[in-house]
Amino acid sequence: GAGVSQSPSNKVTEKGKDVELRCDPISGHTALYWYRQSLGQGLEFLIYFQGNSAPDKSGLPSDRFSAERTGGSVSTLTIQRTQQEDSAVYLCASSLGPGGQPQHFGDGTRLSIL
Amino acid sequence: AQSVTQLGSHVSVSEGALVLLRCNYSSSVPPYLFWYVQYPNQGLQLLLKYTSAATLVKGINGFEAEFKKSETSFHLTKPSAHMSDAAEYFCAVNTDKLIFGTGTRLQVFP
Repeated sequence: GAGVSQSPSNKVTEKGKDVELRCDPISGHTALYWYRQSLGQGLEFLIYFQGNSAPDKSGLPSDRFSAERTGGSVSTLTIQRTQQEDSAVYLCASSLGPGGQPQHFGDGTRLSIL
Repeated sequence: AQSVTQLGSHVSVSEGALVLLRCNYSSSVPPYLFWYVQYPNQGLQLLLKYTSAATLVKGINGFEAEFKKSETSFHLTKPSAHMSDAAEYFCAVNTDKLIFGTGTRLQVFP
């Protein structure tokens, strides 16, 4: 497709389980971003990739969160030992590059921790 | 540090009325500013962007925004609201990552 694709669209899991969220960026976009959207915190930056490197991972809330990007394309966000406060919508965006290029968003993964 | 402030978490207008959503920014350098719209259960869609080429920026769906350095503002306007404009609107500043405002939910009444 032409847009940013995220999977799954919804994920329900039990507290303590690990989850993996996937993002397929727009072809040719070198920059990839993960954000989290929750009722209490609004839209928060998590991590930014330029190619396969992550120059800014300052938004990852704890060491239970990690992300990788391979082949300059697909990215996965992994949350280990999930907690109820991890419940949120996780949004992925991509852009042609950093520094003011507009970011294009996927529809997000809605994560619910029981 | 760069930041944006959106005044008014909820705005209600009648169909056909002017829409005005307020955004003020804080930045020590010329900013890249954006407005995004989010419809229920969807991601964010870019409405328009300011990148210093022109102070009045026209976007999609009849929206526009004016960059006013003296007021550190980037308010979003639309002359005539349509029912389909009901959504949540986010102002953001780009510092490689997007720093978002808290959002304004727009309701449009018939």
